[in-house]
Amino acid sequence: VQLVESGGGLVQPGKSLKLSCSASGFTFSSYGMHWIRQAPGKGLDWVAYISSSSGTVYADAVKGRFTISRDNAKNTLYLQLNSLKSEDTAIYYCARLWATMALDYWGQGVMVTVSS
Amino acid sequence: DIQMTQSPSSISVSLGDRFTITCRASQDIGNYLSWYQQKPEKSPKLMIYRATNLEDGVPSRFSGSRSGSDYSLTINSLESEDTGIYFCLQHKQYPLTFGSGTKLEIK
Repeated sequence: VQLVESGGGLVQPGKSLKLSCSASGFTFSSYGMHWIRQAPGKGLDWVAYISSSSGTVYADAVKGRFTISRDNAKNTLYLQLNSLKSEDTAIYYCARLWATMALDYWGQGVMVTVSS
Repeated sequence: DIQMTQSPSSISVSLGDRFTITCRASQDIGNYLSWYQQKPEKSPKLMIYRATNLEDGVPSRFSGSRSGSDYSLTINSLESEDTGIYFCLQHKQYPLTFGSGTKLEIK
């Protein structure tokens, strides 16, 4: 199992960014997937979830600004980040949901920095 | 939202000692709790799932337990490779919530 995030970078407040998480080593379409973020030197914050059937759930802090999606044909998870704020600055991880057990595999993370 | 209160926030432990981290859930989470280890500049690694189950490949000196709303991760006979930050996660209901983390150092 491998999860590889990409698409991060430095972006100005109010702008947009799209993160990708490329999955391999498992049947991607069968698993729910999460995005979790970690501000520099801080703890972990859950961001969003998409089920195998593409149902979605969002943290209040990002609802209406971020959109999680998936392309099962490309084995890729996405996170569209709009109207970015400085407080969105963090490392963003994608993680696989293992049934009702845990988030069992995590990507290496991608840094998003929101600054003027 | 379910609050996960994790303690201690940091600790220094001697090699070979036993150490326990606790997360207290503000609501019933019915064993929907997992523990993760994070090394510097690395992503979290699953250690314990569903409160008491050891993930494949994790040393048997790690164990998880539950007493009421308190969930604990215990490390028996601490080894140098066990340093890092440990987090709990509840996945009973959305939003998922993490404990604030425990930084484990070797004395």
